[in-house]
Amino acid sequence: NAGVMQNPRHLVRRRGQEARLRCSPMKGHSHVYWYRQLPEEGLKFMVYLQKENIIDESGMPKERFSAEFPKEGPSILRIQQVVRGDSAAYFCASSPSLVLSGNTIYFGEGSWLTVV
Amino acid sequence: RKEVEQDPGPFNVPEGATVAFNCTYSNSASQSFFWYRQDCRKEPKLLMSVYSSGNEDGRFTAQLNRASQYISLLIRDSKLSDSATYLCVVEAAGNKLTFGGGTRVLVKP
Repeated sequence: NAGVMQNPRHLVRRRGQEARLRCSPMKGHSHVYWYRQLPEEGLKFMVYLQKENIIDESGMPKERFSAEFPKEGPSILRIQQVVRGDSAAYFCASSPSLVLSGNTIYFGEGSWLTVV
Repeated sequence: RKEVEQDPGPFNVPEGATVAFNCTYSNSASQSFFWYRQDCRKEPKLLMSVYSSGNEDGRFTAQLNRASQYISLLIRDSKLSDSATYLCVVEAAGNKLTFGGGTRVLVKP
């Protein structure tokens, strides 16, 4: 039973380019969460999605960032016109049910974005 | 004030010693509490849940003080492999986990 799969693991983009990060939740999980971790900081919640729906995007920057979780395929976090400050680790997590708990959420290994 | 605050450390701990550190949270409606461990450039992993009565898992003891709004983690007989960043995690309503900035622990021989 594969865990939460994220790709790419490492991504380098020049300023102004687009970054697309993918996350496949664990089998049977329909709830996906994206977190961002800046260097030397804790994880910050970005967005919570269910299939085809954004449930909570209160942590998403207002511009350039978007997320989706289509009916088929992985969840995608998209960052347009990247800037150096977007360099961070982006962690995806999934859970099996509506009631999230710290002991039922599973994290992927993260995608490290470096903007040069 | 940050929702969840931790002393960033590092806590330099001799092997075999005991180390303890706290985490404070601001939302009195917080419902569940956890300690996660994160190794360098790895994903966070659940270390233990924190219960109102306090709980122990081997060398690790967690406590919750709702009145003062803090949780604590104590590590006994520290091992070199305990070196990591320990993240305090608080769950409020709305399916959202809030992470502290982490406390770095370095266990040295």
